[in-house]
Amino acid sequence: QQQVKQSPQSLIVQKGGISIINCAYENTAFDYFPWYQQFPGKGPALLIAIRPDVSEKKEGRFTISFNKSAKQFSLHIMDSQPGDSATYFCAASIGGSYIPTFGRGTSLIVHP
Amino acid sequence: KAGVTQTPRYLIKTRGQQVTLSCSPISGHRSVSWYQQTPGQGLQFLFEYFSETQRNKGNFPGRFSGRQFSNSRSEMNVSTLELGDSALYLCASSLGAGANNSPLHFGNGTRLTVT
Repeated sequence: QQQVKQSPQSLIVQKGGISIINCAYENTAFDYFPWYQQFPGKGPALLIAIRPDVSEKKEGRFTISFNKSAKQFSLHIMDSQPGDSATYFCAASIGGSYIPTFGRGTSLIVHP
Repeated sequence: KAGVTQTPRYLIKTRGQQVTLSCSPISGHRSVSWYQQTPGQGLQFLFEYFSETQRNKGNFPGRFSGRQFSNSRSEMNVSTLELGDSALYLCASSLGAGANNSPLHFGNGTRLTVT
């Protein structure tokens, strides 16, 4: 049973455009929602994370939007750049658990 | 601080053989977890160790095992290799106890190919 559903599986965006990746979860006990970014040949790295007591968190061009009632959260990449081309994973975990549940990933390609 | 180090980076093995992968966590991190990454399944959790004890286990057969040493370094072993075991194996470390939701720090993985 996949507890975190991520879409789309792949995404192609033009340079300067907005990239949007969506995730939905089922377990209402989740209380921490990180996003990881993975470049080819590298391991995933934490990009940004949010807790359900806020509806939005912004760090530079990256924004997480969180909708607790809908059990959904999304990553928005503003002014997308070719250097943003990577695979993005959303995840969710429960406080006290050190093992996040990952979405299946989104391969983002930003064309110059 | 040095990051998470995984060795070797690449391995080619034959069906039926066994393999051992190694992971050195970030200094001070006591939790080490292992993931299998494949194009179709994404990141699949294998197991997590903390203070030399397996604390969590994913849904993988008993051919997959691991251990953690007193210095927090960890090894993962896969016995009787199958073609389907070909994947990128990622190790991640975190602070563990007393640090709820501490982020995972991943190594660059070991690419295992089974022929």
